[in-house]
This record gives sequence, C-alpha cells and structure tokens, in this order.
Amino acid sequence: KQEVTQIPAALSVPEGENLVLNCSFTDSAIYNLQWFRQDPGKGLTSLLLIQSSQREQTSGRLNASLDKSSGRSTLYIAASQPGDSATYLCAVNWGSNYKLTFGKGTLLTVNP
Amino acid sequence: DAGVIQSPRHEVTEMGQEVTLRCKPISGHNSLFWYRQTMMRGLELLIYFNNNVPIDDSGMPEDRFSAKMPNASFSTLKIQPSEPRDSAVYFCASSLVDRPNQPQHFGDGTRLSIL
Repeated sequence: KQEVTQIPAALSVPEGENLVLNCSFTDSAIYNLQWFRQDPGKGLTSLLLIQSSQREQTSGRLNASLDKSSGRSTLYIAASQPGDSATYLCAVNWGSNYKLTFGKGTLLTVNP
Repeated sequence: DAGVIQSPRHEVTEMGQEVTLRCKPISGHNSLFWYRQTMMRGLELLIYFNNNVPIDDSGMPEDRFSAKMPNASFSTLKIQPSEPRDSAVYFCASSLVDRPNQPQHFGDGTRLSIL
C-alpha cells in the first residue's frame, strides 16, 4: 500500500532556528512530491514541487530535498519566523499525474 | 488571479438534510479535485474531473455523495441525506494536468457540521 508518513506530528522551535521537517513514503517509484502549507481555517498553499528526476528545489528560505531510494523527503526552513507557524503537508504523486496521497502533516510553531 | 473559490465557507445543518458545496476553479485549469479533510484520516481525494468529465470517483464514500461539473467554471459536491460522520472540511482544488508536474491549487474549504 502506498502511504505517506510525517514525523513529528508537532514541532515547536524558537524564532531564528533552522529546522527540518520529514516526510517518508513507502514506494520509491514516485512521479513527483509536493510540500504544502496550511494555515488555520485556510486551504493548502503549494510551496515546492520536486519532480522524480530532481534531488532538490529551493524557494527563498525553503529547501526541499528528495531521496527516492530511501523513500524520504525533507523540507528545510532557514532562519524560522513566527509567520512560518502553520501545518506543513507532504503529498506524493505515484505516476498518475493527478492523484496525491497526503501525509497527516507537521504542525509547526515558531515562538517569538 | 482570484484562485479557487468555494462556497459556503461554513455550513451547519441537521442530519438528513441535503448539503450542496460549490467550487469555481481557476480560469484555464482543466482539472478539478474534491478532497475531504478529517483529523482521523487526513486529506482524502473524493473525485477527480478532467475537462468536466469524472475520471476517478473511487474515493466517494458512498451513494449519498455525488459530484457534478456542468461546465469548466463550476462544480458541486452534494450529500443527500447528510449524516454526522460527514462532518469535515471539504476542499476543492484545480490544476492543469495536461502539462506534467503542475501543482494543485486549493480553495479555502467548506467546514461542514452535521448535527
């Protein structure tokens, strides 16, 4: 069964800290992987999409890496800010070009 | 761009009533997705439309749920009759799947409470 797991479920850090969020998946034959951010009461905002042929993607203070052989992706957030507080979700597309399987997310709190 | 627009934002109704959720995708997107989010199960795909045609409805939980996309700019998800276990946040998303590796864009969701 194709599954996506995110650990930890919640993370609290002081402002300014660099941090890593983890995502693992059971089948390495992925098409792509997306990281989303979800604010309370809001929808999901796509942060980064890593194609199967790529090892990482960067956007500002965010860097997402992909290691298919180990079934893992990480989202690195540099110099965290209180405004980064949100739930971060990882979603994997296993070749259908549309069907995303989501992890349960990591709730990040950045304390001022 | 206005983004994906969903209505209503909140819906509270009694068990047995019909519920209709609405979605307007991003203009130019040819694919639309309905998801349901609960604490227990996370985000689950209910149904996927491509060019207004339902392609995959394997996630629709039971016959009480139905979805339509009469044109490229409008879709509905209907629950009839509604039950308390249908309480969840329902999201609509759209994308351009004809081009590879396109992200899905989500609306703000409808928070549904069935009493």
